[in-house]
This record gives sequence, C-alpha cells and structure tokens, in this order.
Amino acid sequence: DTEVTQTPKHLVMGMTNKKSLKCEQHMGHRAMYWYKQKAKKPPELMFVYSYEKLSINESVPSRFSPECPNSSLLNLHLHALQPEDSALYLCASSQESYRNTEAFFGQGTRLTVV
Amino acid sequence: AQKVTQAQTEISVVEKEDVTLDCVYETRDTTYYLFWYKQPPSGELVFLIRRNSFDEQNEISGRYSWNFQKSTSSFNFTITASQVVDSAVYFCALIVIKAAGNKLTFGGGTRVLVKP
Repeated sequence: DTEVTQTPKHLVMGMTNKKSLKCEQHMGHRAMYWYKQKAKKPPELMFVYSYEKLSINESVPSRFSPECPNSSLLNLHLHALQPEDSALYLCASSQESYRNTEAFFGQGTRLTVV
Repeated sequence: AQKVTQAQTEISVVEKEDVTLDCVYETRDTTYYLFWYKQPPSGELVFLIRRNSFDEQNEISGRYSWNFQKSTSSFNFTITASQVVDSAVYFCALIVIKAAGNKLTFGGGTRVLVKP
C-alpha cells in the first residue's frame, strides 16, 4: 500500500474561517511533509515532520499551523488566510533512511480563500 | 543550495512518438538522489524513478528510460511510444540527505501533451 490520503479534496473558506487539512499514511513512514503548489508552479516545501517532531519550517506564516498527532497523521490548521493562499496543498511521506528516500504524495487539497 | 532546471516548459507530440525531458541540477553535495515525478490533472504527484549519485547506470523500465550523467549534471527522462495517458506535468527533483529531514528541490516542470 503506497497511499497517502488527504481530506478534504476541495475546500472553500472565508478569510475569517478556521479549517484543517488532514493527511494519513499507513506505510510506516517516519517523515511527513506539507507542500504548497500554485498553478503552473512546482511544489514548495512548507513543513517537515521527522519522527513526529517538526524538523523544518520554511518560514511559513503563522496562519498555517502544522500538527502531527501520531506517526500516521498530519494536520494543517488554517486561520485568517488570505486570497493569495489559494493553492493546492500536498501532503507527502517518506522513509527516514538513506536507501528509501522517495516521497509518496497524496492527491492534495485544492484550497480557495474568498 | 540545490537547484534543478527543466528548460522545456511544454512539449507536444503525437501518440507513439518518443518524448525526452531534460533536467540539469546543481548541488555541492556528493551524496544525493534524483527523481522524476508525474503530475496528471488530478493533482497527485506520482513517483516514477529514483537514481542515487553513486549509480550512473542507465536503465529502462517499461516505456520509461533515463540517462544520468554526473559529468554534465544531467538526468534526462524518455518516454518511448507515448500514449495519451502520458499527458501530464513532469517534475525532476533532487534530494540531499540532511539530518533535519529530506527536502525535495523541484524543477519548474515540463508539461507534456500527447495528441491522439
């Protein structure tokens, strides 16, 4: 099973709303990631969790708040977003080893901020 | 810092033609991994192939093949006998293993359109 599941697939939210994106994997991977992808651009890394601890924050604004409740789950809490935050948000996971480094991605959540 | 460049922004071919995607990378690290991912319109990034910096052997997997040359820092990818289902954006990516976590550096992507 090489599946990363993201919910919801689509989300429309107002600038004053609070919402959460969810990601789940059951591959036993110990690293999980959030990426943001704008239209016609490559994905950009936001956060990396390694063994359930935040290891990389790419200077992401505090209106994005990640959470890793356990090794299989990754959340992204959203609050007071701006229209320019509209994008495809991709979750990924990978083994934390030197031999198995490919990341497996979910289908993403298409977020629209109105 | 790492950098990946995909000079081709869009390629259009007719079905059954071969398609070669170019990728050039920059890194000062001696240990790294290179990848190709496919992103169909559905949005999911699909892992295709991986190559580590110590293995320059070129391989073929089904209709996919790749040409890794450290001397020119290139990692090109070929789809043989293209099909309409191959239409997607293809990303070349690089990882340098760090203790803090693996960070994928993506190229800008190449959109492939296969016409019937």
